[in-house]
Amino acid sequence: EVQLVESGGGLVQPGGSLRLSCAASGFTFSDYWMTWVRQAPGKGLEWVANIKQDGSKKHYVASVTGRFTISRDNARNSLYLQMNSLRAEDTAVYYCSRDMGETWGQGVLVTVSS
Amino acid sequence: QSVLTQPPSASGTPGQRVTISCSGSSSNIGKYDVYWYQQLPGTAPKLLIYINNQRPSGVPDRFSGSKSGTSASLAFSGVRSEDEADYYCAAWDDSLSGWVFGGGTKLTVL
Repeated sequence: EVQLVESGGGLVQPGGSLRLSCAASGFTFSDYWMTWVRQAPGKGLEWVANIKQDGSKKHYVASVTGRFTISRDNARNSLYLQMNSLRAEDTAVYYCSRDMGETWGQGVLVTVSS
Repeated sequence: QSVLTQPPSASGTPGQRVTISCSGSSSNIGKYDVYWYQQLPGTAPKLLIYINNQRPSGVPDRFSGSKSGTSASLAFSGVRSEDEADYYCAAWDDSLSGWVFGGGTKLTVL
């Protein structure tokens, strides 16, 4: 069974950092682009970043460029999102997905507040 | 303000045909494939349509997608109460070098 499980969310102060992880199972992780999508409370979906199979290409939404870094470890079947200089507007449920939403994790809540 | 424009709401009675539109531009829908997602209340999104009109296995054939020029549509051939959810379209955007979503459409089955 294809499965994605996010972890690492929580409450962080503005300006702080957090690292999200996404553990993949049930498929050949290294064969797929992987994506992070977020959803602020009561709002719509927002694409955050994606990464190519071998990590050689990465794309980011403008609002996180320079603050967030997407990475992957194909040996560990894991996807990561390092989030620095967090702002209140980064508060959201963060989902990892295979390709562009082919499969989704359950999501992890990140709250940026003092 | 989303790059892709969807109506905020749509509604229909059980068995009625309902469509949801998604309007974009030459840098996104006009050039790239459209994807549609269903998000039931309190759950993660689910892929409903990929590459404009393809259904993943397990998605009922009462859901269909189409694309023409810089617009796309999601259609329900006979809406059901369990279809009450939020629906989002998405496409790659050349100008932004990233994926863009529509603002979402809340479907109500009356």
